[in-house]
Amino acid sequence: KAGVTQTPRYLIKTRGQQVTLSCSPISGHRSVSWYQQTPGQGLQFLFEYFSETQRNKGNFPGRFSGRQFSNSRSEMNVSTLELGDSALYLCASSPGQQNEKLFFGSGTQLSVL
Amino acid sequence: EDQVTQSPEALRLQEGESSSLNCSYTVSGLRGLFWYRQDPGKGPEFLFTLYSAGEEKEKERLKATLTKKESFLHITAPKPEDSATYLCAVHSNSGYALNFGKGTSLLVTP
Repeated sequence: KAGVTQTPRYLIKTRGQQVTLSCSPISGHRSVSWYQQTPGQGLQFLFEYFSETQRNKGNFPGRFSGRQFSNSRSEMNVSTLELGDSALYLCASSPGQQNEKLFFGSGTQLSVL
Repeated sequence: EDQVTQSPEALRLQEGESSSLNCSYTVSGLRGLFWYRQDPGKGPEFLFTLYSAGEEKEKERLKATLTKKESFLHITAPKPEDSATYLCAVHSNSGYALNFGKGTSLLVTP
């Protein structure tokens, strides 16, 4: 069974630009969560989608948005990039019930110059 | 607000030297405590879930335990391949998302 796939693996952008990251969950998983990982803050929850609906949201500004498609694939968008957005963005999938383990992808490493 | 604190931040062990990693938590009703392992350049990989105080789980050289305030990840006779960052996360009544600690970076030398 294929794992969680995230593309692209690396991305370099400049301040003010926008970026879209993609995540394909494990087949059959209906929930996709996004996390931002930085050396100083660790993993911080961005949002979670289940059956195309945002079910939970973390404390990030509105520049961070996402969506989920009918095939459970998800995209995350960051507009008006700032230097502080440089981070590893991780996507995780699960069948969709609460309190279950998450399966993570390898992440997209975003560098904002 | 939920808080998860891991200690130490970094740990260096000789191969075969057993030790424990700590995860202290303050939550509004624990629903589950998770341990993950993260290798450089990869996403976290699930290790264990613990649900109630007194519960223990084992996998190879790793053993996770849980009390009402903290969890320990015991590593017995570690090998160099156990080198990784170990992350603790909690799921509580305050929300759906897992709340992660900042991790313990473990280095095991031959």
